[in-house]
Amino acid sequence: AQSVTQLDSHVSVSEGTPVLLRCNYSSSYSPSLFWYVQHPNKGLQLLLKYTSAATLVKGINGFEAEFKKSETSFHLTKPSAHMSDAAEYFCVVSDVSTGRRALTFGSGTRLQVQP
Amino acid sequence: EPEVTQTPSHQVTQMGQEVILRCVPISNHLYFYWYRQILGQKVEFLVSFYNNEISEKSEIFDDQFSVERPDGSNFTLKIRSTKLEDSAMYFCASSDITGSFQETQYFGPGTRLLVL
Repeated sequence: AQSVTQLDSHVSVSEGTPVLLRCNYSSSYSPSLFWYVQHPNKGLQLLLKYTSAATLVKGINGFEAEFKKSETSFHLTKPSAHMSDAAEYFCVVSDVSTGRRALTFGSGTRLQVQP
Repeated sequence: EPEVTQTPSHQVTQMGQEVILRCVPISNHLYFYWYRQILGQKVEFLVSFYNNEISEKSEIFDDQFSVERPDGSNFTLKIRSTKLEDSAMYFCASSDITGSFQETQYFGPGTRLLVL
């Protein structure tokens, strides 16, 4: 069975400093991995996805994530945080080998950006 | 940019009452989904729907739940007799078919359901 662990429930950074949101996954075969962001009172917006092409994936708003199979990790990074990045971030896995489309979500990381 | 919409944004109901949550998926998408998030817990998959039938469902999706695509645009989730533990944010999502199971699911803003 597939699962996702987000290692930090809350992360606080200062504006202009780097962001690192950590995610480890468990999957039986070759996963598809996603990061979604949820701003207050908004829906879940796709930031980026990995689907077995390049291991370094670039997303919207300057975010990127690196798929590391040996570490079963898919950490999300951004070089310089902006106040508008404050939101809840979800790491999500889908295991294509099972033929299932259901997404499995991590518990979320709330990012605070201090001025 | 096309987006998934959901109505209502908030709903309060009495225990035992039926509720219908509505979603309008992105127009050319063929797969539809419902997820829910109980306060303080993870987002959980409920059901997927394709070609007018359920293609996949979780253990949560028991007989009190049903889904329907009553016309060419709406996708609904019905809870027949609500329980206190059904209080949650319900998200609708839709995706296109790429043939590789790697398509992206696009989510709506959610309906917050409160059962009293």
